[in-house]
Amino acid sequence: EAGVTQFPSHSVIEKGQTVTLRCDPISGHDNLYWYRRVMGKEIKFLLHFVKESKQDESGMPNNRFLAERTGGTYSTLKVQPAELEDSGVYFCASSQDRSSTEAFFGQGTRLTVV
Amino acid sequence: AQSVTQPDIHITVSEGASLELRCNYSYGATPYLFWYVQSPGQGLQLLLKYFSGDTLVQGIKGFEAEFKRSQSSFNLRKPSVHWSDAAEYFCAAFSSNTGKLIFGQGTTLQVKP
Repeated sequence: EAGVTQFPSHSVIEKGQTVTLRCDPISGHDNLYWYRRVMGKEIKFLLHFVKESKQDESGMPNNRFLAERTGGTYSTLKVQPAELEDSGVYFCASSQDRSSTEAFFGQGTRLTVV
Repeated sequence: AQSVTQPDIHITVSEGASLELRCNYSYGATPYLFWYVQSPGQGLQLLLKYFSGDTLVQGIKGFEAEFKRSQSSFNLRKPSVHWSDAAEYFCAAFSSNTGKLIFGQGTTLQVKP
């Protein structure tokens, strides 16, 4: 069974550009989460999808971030326009249902905004 | 506010020595507690978890952790560290109310030959 996969693994973009991160959860997992770790800080929750619906987006930093999960399968996280402080590692995780307390994480996307 | 604290940002131990990584949590009730490890270039891998019952839990790679309610702690231990254990370790708590994991700041483990 494939795990959670994230694309790209690394991305370097200039300030003001747009970047789209993709996450493919484990097949059949309704719950999909995005987390972010900025340099030297803790990993922080961004948002939670249940199938295609946003269950909780309280962690999204501002309206430059847009997450989608069309069809309830893979998810994208777009940053537009990117700022320097958006640099960090973006993790995606999925779990089978809300009561499942084991979320499986992808390897993360390291985003560097220069 | 709910929080998880890992007091040690960086720890260095010699190969073969014992290891203890500290984790403290602040929660209204007993949360579900986890330890994850991230090796270079890898994703977050679950080492072990505590939900209820026996307060000493065993995980993969020879790790164990002990939940101590009186100290609000969930420290990770390993009796003999291997060079391959060098990685970053994260303690996390899950709230079933919010469905979120709350992570500590992480502890980087360096293993000396």
